[in-house]
Amino acid sequence: DQQVKQNSPSLSVQEGRISILNCDYTNSMFDYFLWYKKYPAEGPTFLISISSIKDKNEDGRFTVFLNKSAKHLSLHIVPSQPGDSAVYFCAARASGTYKYIFGTGTRLKVLA
Amino acid sequence: EAGVVQSPRYKIIEKKQPVAFWCNPISGHNTLYWYRQNLGQGPELLIRYENEEAVDDSQLPKDRFSAERLKGVDSTLKIQPAELGDSAVYLCASSLGPLRGKGNEQYFGPGTRLTVT
Repeated sequence: DQQVKQNSPSLSVQEGRISILNCDYTNSMFDYFLWYKKYPAEGPTFLISISSIKDKNEDGRFTVFLNKSAKHLSLHIVPSQPGDSAVYFCAARASGTYKYIFGTGTRLKVLA
Repeated sequence: EAGVVQSPRYKIIEKKQPVAFWCNPISGHNTLYWYRQNLGQGPELLIRYENEEAVDDSQLPKDRFSAERLKGVDSTLKIQPAELGDSAVYLCASSLGPLRGKGNEQYFGPGTRLTVT
C-alpha cells in the first residue's frame, strides 16, 4: 500500500513559468512533510519541509502548501529555471516516529 | 562541510556473491539511515541507527542483509548472498538526531548502484 503518492511521473514547464508538483498521502498520522530534489547519479537533496501545524511554507522560489483535510501537499516553483530540472520526491513522517515514507517521484523538465 | 560519503559508487557482482557498502555520515550527525531505491521508486528505509544502536530495522531482510555502525560513526551494510532482486541503489543518509526543526532534515550520500547478474 503506497502511503505517499505522486501520481504524475513527469512534468514539463517553460522557463519562467510556475511548476506545480503534487503529492497525496493516506496516513492521517503523518505530521511532517519534506520535498527532496534529485539529480542523476546524486543522492536526494533536501529542498523544503512543512509541519502539519502550518498550511504554507516558503523559501525563495519554493513554496509548499499543505491541505490536511484533503491529505494533499504541493510544491510550487516560481519562476522555474532550467537548473530545476530533476526528480522531485515528497516524503512524510508519522507523529512520534522518524521513519520517512517517500513517494515515487516526479521528473520535472524545465524547457529553456 | 563534507557531505555524506559512500563507497563504492558502483558495484557489479554475480548472484550468490557477498557485497558490502560503506557510509561515512556528516560529522556530528547521530542518526544514520540506509535506504534502498529501486528503479522508478522512492527510497525505502532498510535500517535506522541512533548512534550505534539500530532503532528501526523492521524493513531489513535479515536472512541476507546485515548492518553495523561501530562507534556510532561509520556504517557498513552487507548482503550475503546477493540475489538478482537486490539490484538497486543503496543510499545512506544522516541527520542531527530526533530533534524538531532542522534535526528532521536528512542529508543523503550519492548512493551505491548495485547490479547483480
